[in-house]
Amino acid sequence: SQQGEEDPQALSIQEGENATMNCSYKTSINNLQWYRQNSGRGLVHLILIRSNEREKHSGRLRVTLDTSKKSSSLLITASRAADTASYFCATENYGGSQGNLIFGKGTKLSVKP
Amino acid sequence: NAGVTQTPKFRVLKTGQSMTLLCAQDMNHEYMYWYRQDPGMGLRLIHYSVGEGTTAKGEVPDGYNVSRLKKQNFLLGLESAAPSQTSVYFCAISPLLSNYGYTFGSGTRLTVV
Repeated sequence: SQQGEEDPQALSIQEGENATMNCSYKTSINNLQWYRQNSGRGLVHLILIRSNEREKHSGRLRVTLDTSKKSSSLLITASRAADTASYFCATENYGGSQGNLIFGKGTKLSVKP
Repeated sequence: NAGVTQTPKFRVLKTGQSMTLLCAQDMNHEYMYWYRQDPGMGLRLIHYSVGEGTTAKGEVPDGYNVSRLKKQNFLLGLESAAPSQTSVYFCAISPLLSNYGYTFGSGTRLTVV
C-alpha cells in the first residue's frame, strides 16, 4: 500500500528557479527519505530526515518534516537542467520491519534551460 | 566498486516461461529488496531478505519466489510469467543499522508477451 503521496505529480520550471515538492504520509514514521530517479535509471538516495528532526540541508537541497501534519517538503534551490528527474519520498514506518521503505508515486520535475 | 549489479538488464519472455533475475552486491549489506516499478504506481515491494538464508514477503509477492543462499546475492524467480509481470524490477540494499538510505541497482526491464 502506498504510504507517501507526492504533490504535485509534475512540475515544470526554468533553470535558476526553486522547485518545491511535497509529500504526505499516513502513519507514524521512523524516518522519511527522498530519492531521485533519472529516466531509465535506478533510484539515488538524496537525503534522510529522522522523525525527531524538523529540517535538514544537503547542498542545494532542503528538506522539512512536520510530523504533526504528516508531511514533508523537498526544496531544490537554483535548479539546473541536470535536476530534471522524478523525485520520490519514502517512509520507514514506526514499528514496521526495519529498513522496509514504502515509496510514493513520485513528482516528475522538468527544468528547462 | 559496482555497489548493486542486476542481471539481465532487459528480457522478453513469453507467457508461461520462467526466468531468474540476479542481484549481486559488493557492499556487505545485510538487507536486500526486490521492488517492481510500474507507470503511475511508484515502487512496490515484492520480497526482501534481512540476511543470508532468510526471505520475507512484501506487498506484491504473488507469482514470485526468492532465495538468498549467499549474503551477496538475492535472486528473484518467475516460475510462470504472466503479462501482468511486465515491469521494471529494481534490487536495493541497506545496512543492518536503521536510518540509512537504500542503494539501488540500475534495474531490469522485463516484458512478458
